[in-house]
Amino acid sequence: ETGVTQTPRHLVMGMTNKKSLKCEQHLGHNAMYWYKQSAKKPLELMFVYNFKEQTENNSVPSRFSPECPNSSHLFLHLHTLQPEDSALYLCASSQDRVNEQFFGPGTRLTVL
Amino acid sequence: KQEVTQIPAALSVPEGENLVLNCSFTDSAIYNLQWFRQDPGKGLTSLLLIQSSQREQTSGRLNASLDKSSGRSTLYIAASQPGDSATYLCAVRIPDYKLSFGAGTTVTVRA
Repeated sequence: ETGVTQTPRHLVMGMTNKKSLKCEQHLGHNAMYWYKQSAKKPLELMFVYNFKEQTENNSVPSRFSPECPNSSHLFLHLHTLQPEDSALYLCASSQDRVNEQFFGPGTRLTVL
Repeated sequence: KQEVTQIPAALSVPEGENLVLNCSFTDSAIYNLQWFRQDPGKGLTSLLLIQSSQREQTSGRLNASLDKSSGRSTLYIAASQPGDSATYLCAVRIPDYKLSFGAGTTVTVRA
């Protein structure tokens, strides 16, 4: 596979569930990002990792917990979410924090 | 705080007409500006990247201009086709390296 992949593509979960979103990039990039896209709103940056180190947490609630075990993989662990967390979650990567970002197809999350 | 605005929010044109999409930003201190395309429920595809020192970029039927001093960028799509129907997003890279996005313009090209 090439580019940025995300799994699962769709996820429905209850407010008491725990689930994880996975992102993998095959581009040899050093920076990875999580974004949230809600209906009719601009993309919101959630987290930034550069060389596996978290460099940005954009005031994201603690029910979202990121993990970056290596430069190719990024996870978003979810627990006790709220219905308003339903959105498209997009992962992106770039060679470094300055260069062009490449996006994955996203995970459509629905919280019941 | 950088604010990025895209007007109009939606646009419908007949096939063959040229498309003009507008993006404005409040702080001219940017590194670059990027235009993306997003199909329904899908990720973002990068279309054009304009560095802050450039005035325009072209790729096929697409041309993007940048006027940093006035905080504006315009994406032109020539001779539109039904396959151009999508949401187009503008994003500026600000000094702390983050991308600040507009809400997008949803384009429908009628056959």
